[in-house]
Amino acid sequence: RKEVEQDPGPFNVPEGATVAFNCTYSNSASQSFFWYRQDCRKEPKLLMSVYSSGNEDGRFTAQLNRASQYISLLIRDSKLSDSATYLCAVRLGDSSYKLIFGSGTRLLVRP
Amino acid sequence: GAVVSQHPSWVICKSGTSVKIECRSLDFQATTMFWYRQFPKQSLMLMATSNEGSKATYEQGVEKDKFLINHASLTLSTLTVTSAHPEDSSFYICSARDLRDSTDTQYFGPGTRLTVL
Repeated sequence: RKEVEQDPGPFNVPEGATVAFNCTYSNSASQSFFWYRQDCRKEPKLLMSVYSSGNEDGRFTAQLNRASQYISLLIRDSKLSDSATYLCAVRLGDSSYKLIFGSGTRLLVRP
Repeated sequence: GAVVSQHPSWVICKSGTSVKIECRSLDFQATTMFWYRQFPKQSLMLMATSNEGSKATYEQGVEKDKFLINHASLTLSTLTVTSAHPEDSSFYICSARDLRDSTDTQYFGPGTRLTVL
């Protein structure tokens, strides 16, 4: 079983739609959780960290469910510019600060 | 702030040659940098953790003699792909943690696209 798993998609949605991605992790000792956005042939860019209480940044909402070991990302009112691959990343609860990435979920927002 | 650069941004080399990739933190100091590799349509795979002033820590399955890492200063880590082969063609990305930052934030470089002919 992979340490971090995501549905690869692609998710093909119209502008204005709400779309949600899930990401599951296998190590219960995981400590920190992140969503990154990666555009084609570019480096990943941090979208948001994910906290137990959930957090929101504009149209983006992230949630963490430790009991079920998954994190989610909700995008409301999708824009064409949201088209990208969304990667979840997990940091284990050790001193290494290593991030383990999921395989990414591709989002296509169509006009 | 928190900018990480990589050089070169792309490189094409012949099979059997060695290629050095530089990762620099431009406006902060980083005791720890990370090297990732990403094949097309796949996720980032951590190769190794580069520690300033000490040996790198390699992930399982990554050959330390093939991927030489040097982290000689708080702002520079280098990855040398020795005796490169076509299967080493990939997108190599580094990231760095700010020495002063107590959070988990990693800042990524723009990546280096390596093509081995």
